[in-house]
Amino acid sequence: SQTIHQWPATLVQPVGSPLSLECTVEGTSNPNLYWYRQAAGRGLQLLFYSVGIGQISSEVPQNLSASRPQDRQFILSSKKLLLSDSGFYLCAWSVPSGTTDTQYFGPGTRLTVL
Amino acid sequence: AQSVTQLDSHVSVSEGTPVLLRCNYSSSYSPSLFWYVQHPNKGLQLLLKYTSAATLVKGINGFEAEFKKSETSFHLTKPSAHMSDAAEYFCVVTYSNTGKLIFGQGTTLQVKP
Repeated sequence: SQTIHQWPATLVQPVGSPLSLECTVEGTSNPNLYWYRQAAGRGLQLLFYSVGIGQISSEVPQNLSASRPQDRQFILSSKKLLLSDSGFYLCAWSVPSGTTDTQYFGPGTRLTVL
Repeated sequence: AQSVTQLDSHVSVSEGTPVLLRCNYSSSYSPSLFWYVQHPNKGLQLLLKYTSAATLVKGINGFEAEFKKSETSFHLTKPSAHMSDAAEYFCVVTYSNTGKLIFGQGTTLQVKP
């Protein structure tokens, strides 16, 4: 069966520091991968998605970047964190079977920028 | 614009009573619809999905939803609430022309003993 891992689970970082969040998927090959951010009391916002190694699409301009160095690894990064980067970051995967793929979410990373 | 609206930000029910969480979507192209549940500080878990098959969809944990095209609705129901159902629920739509998920703002379900 497929599983998705995210780490760390929680992170507290000072403003201006770098960020690296990692997501890995097991039990499937060539998945579509996604990064979402959930601000407090709000819905999810799609940040990035990837349909293959090295292929990243950004949904909104922001202080963050994403990379996919391996088929089942998706990394969210920042060179300098802002206060507004605080939130709950969720990684998701789907099997690319069409345009209405079901997405499955990881456990999330709670990021607090102070 | 393609959108999804969850009509209630908070719903409170007593344990053992029915649950109704309302969701409306904008009618365009061929939607697929999902309900996800999120417990505090956890990821999202898929409850059920509609993808143009049977209009009454049964999901996990006793939840079900009915796709009503004439009303552009996809309300989530459960006959009898359990304390463990207390969580945030998201209605999500994706359209065949984009494939991207569009999330509702969420409904917080409170279950009182």
